[in-house]
Amino acid sequence: RKEVEQDPGPFNVPEGATVAFNCTYSNSASQSFFWYRQDCRKEPKLLMSVYSSGNEDGRFTAQLNRASQYISLLIRDSKLSDSATYLCVADSSYKLIFGSGTRLLVRP
Amino acid sequence: EPEVTQTPSHQVTQMGQEVILRCVPISNHLYFYWYRQILGQKVEFLVSFYNNEISEKSEIFDDQFSVERPDGSNFTLKIRSTKLEDSAMYFCASSESEGPERAFFGQGTRLTVV
Repeated sequence: RKEVEQDPGPFNVPEGATVAFNCTYSNSASQSFFWYRQDCRKEPKLLMSVYSSGNEDGRFTAQLNRASQYISLLIRDSKLSDSATYLCVADSSYKLIFGSGTRLLVRP
Repeated sequence: EPEVTQTPSHQVTQMGQEVILRCVPISNHLYFYWYRQILGQKVEFLVSFYNNEISEKSEIFDDQFSVERPDGSNFTLKIRSTKLEDSAMYFCASSESEGPERAFFGQGTRLTVV
């Protein structure tokens, strides 16, 4: 079983749409979780950390369910500039374990 | 904003040759990492480095790989005898404190083995 599993997409949505990505992780010992954004042929960039209580940063909301080992990312009011691959990431002994990513395409 | 710098941006090498990928971490950072991403695949951890020694390495990081911090500013990844399957994007990252979530990634070196 993959350590961090994501739907690869692509999710093709119109501008202004709300889109949700899901992710599951297998290592129950993981303590920290994150969403990274990766543009084509670029380095991953931290989008936000994910907490059990849920956290929001502008149009982005992340949620963690430890019981189900499930992580989500909600993007509201999608912009063209949100088009990218979104990487679900778990911390494991101070190294990052990346999912394969979910590709988002926002169309005009 | 301070950044992690990697050189070269693209390296082409013949199979069997040695390559050295270079990274300049952010100056006050103490923890260093190498990750790689084969085209179309996920980002994979290779090695972490702290206090002039390897903290942890993955199964990928076999005897063909080594890391070094030769002069207090550069952090290098050496592949002794490259294979075709070593072709990938190699990302260096550094962090000020323990905990990779605070790591900043460099822009990557694309290694192509022919």
